[in-house]
Amino acid sequence: EDKVVQSPLSLVVHEGDTVTLNCSYEVTNFRSLLWYKQEKKAPTFLFMLTSSGIEKKSGRLSSILDKKELFSILNITATQTGDSAVYLCAVRGSNYKLTFGKGTLLTVNP
Amino acid sequence: GAVVSQHPSRVICKSGTSVKIECRSLDFQATTMFWYRQFPKQSLMLMATSNEGSKATYEQGVEKDKFLINHASLTLSTLTVTSAHPEDSSFYICSATVGGTAGYEQYFGPGTRLTVT
Repeated sequence: EDKVVQSPLSLVVHEGDTVTLNCSYEVTNFRSLLWYKQEKKAPTFLFMLTSSGIEKKSGRLSSILDKKELFSILNITATQTGDSAVYLCAVRGSNYKLTFGKGTLLTVNP
Repeated sequence: GAVVSQHPSRVICKSGTSVKIECRSLDFQATTMFWYRQFPKQSLMLMATSNEGSKATYEQGVEKDKFLINHASLTLSTLTVTSAHPEDSSFYICSATVGGTAGYEQYFGPGTRLTVT
């Protein structure tokens, strides 16, 4: 059974801090790893990673995948209160379905 | 990026009635759509996978006669919750991907909050 573990489960920081969110996984025939941001509604797509060592970047957010060690990190620099959300990591294996982690609840205080 | 819409965004119904939720891919054709439900403070749970023109594949423990899924076209899938009960109250989210296989980005609709009284 595919498994995704995210850490920490929750995190409280101040505006301007840099945070690193972790995602480790076990999956049969890894295809891709996806990061999402979920506020009060449905998840918003952030990144999809398929290859090790290639950083994906979008503004203050970046992510990288290590397929040898089976993990990914999501970095957010210069955090803002608008970054407060649950960040979900999901992996897709040979059955093409996404398996989600429980998420990391990030709270950014002013 | 790809846009997925859902309707309605919120619905309240009485126990025993049926509710239909629509999911549309607005700017792309989705060969595969997924239906999830999410309980408060929990992660997304996949209910079923639907491919255009064929029967949906349900996850273990999901009653296919209760949660009817129809994927009539490449841009529309519907989920009907039949004979709804209070325990069916949840946040239902659809998702769509092009090609239906790994390696494709998967986008989510805004979700439908169902409350059964």
